[in-house]
Amino acid sequence: NAGVTQTPKFQVLKTGQSMTLQCAQDMNHEYMSWYRQDPGMGLRLIHYSVGAGITDQGEVPNGYNVSRSTTEDFPLRLLSAAPSQTSVYFCASSGWASGRRRSEETQYFGPGTRLLVL
Amino acid sequence: EDQVTQSPEALRLQEGESSSLNCSYTVSGLRGLFWYRQDPGKGPEFLFTLYSAGEEKEKERLKATLTKKESFLHITAPKPEDSATYLCAVQAGGTDKLIFGTGTRLQVFP
Repeated sequence: NAGVTQTPKFQVLKTGQSMTLQCAQDMNHEYMSWYRQDPGMGLRLIHYSVGAGITDQGEVPNGYNVSRSTTEDFPLRLLSAAPSQTSVYFCASSGWASGRRRSEETQYFGPGTRLLVL
Repeated sequence: EDQVTQSPEALRLQEGESSSLNCSYTVSGLRGLFWYRQDPGKGPEFLFTLYSAGEEKEKERLKATLTKKESFLHITAPKPEDSATYLCAVQAGGTDKLIFGTGTRLQVFP
């Protein structure tokens, strides 16, 4: 298993440009989520999905879009990049085993994408 | 408002010097409390999940405990390889969302 993979590892954008951060997992997990991590702020939830075709907003969703067409993939789209979106972005997934609470499943994080918006 | 506070922000220990990290929380009906380890430039690595007051879990030199208001991550006889940032997160009842604290940066010197 590759676990959770993210691409690219690093990206520089100009203000106003758009891009998609890719996230994929090969563990057949239903729950996937996107976080951003900023110094002194901790990890903040952007969007999450409880299964293919189902997404919802987290704490800081403005300026980001997501979709979940397959169980494996959960891309994050920046519509018009702003300097305030300079951050490290992490994708995560966790499984759901029948008869057990989802929370008991290990949550796996990807290696992160470092984004710089000029 | 649901909130997680971790202390101290940073902790320096001599190898073998045991200590504890604190995670205090306010949440509407705790569904679960999570501990993670994060190395520089990498994603968080899952350590433990705790569900109810009095619960304890152990992994090597780490032991996590939970009360109704806080959780402790006890580090016994730490080694330099335990140096990392330790993150705490809570999940409120009725939601899938996790709320993270800002972490404790641990440095263990030989």
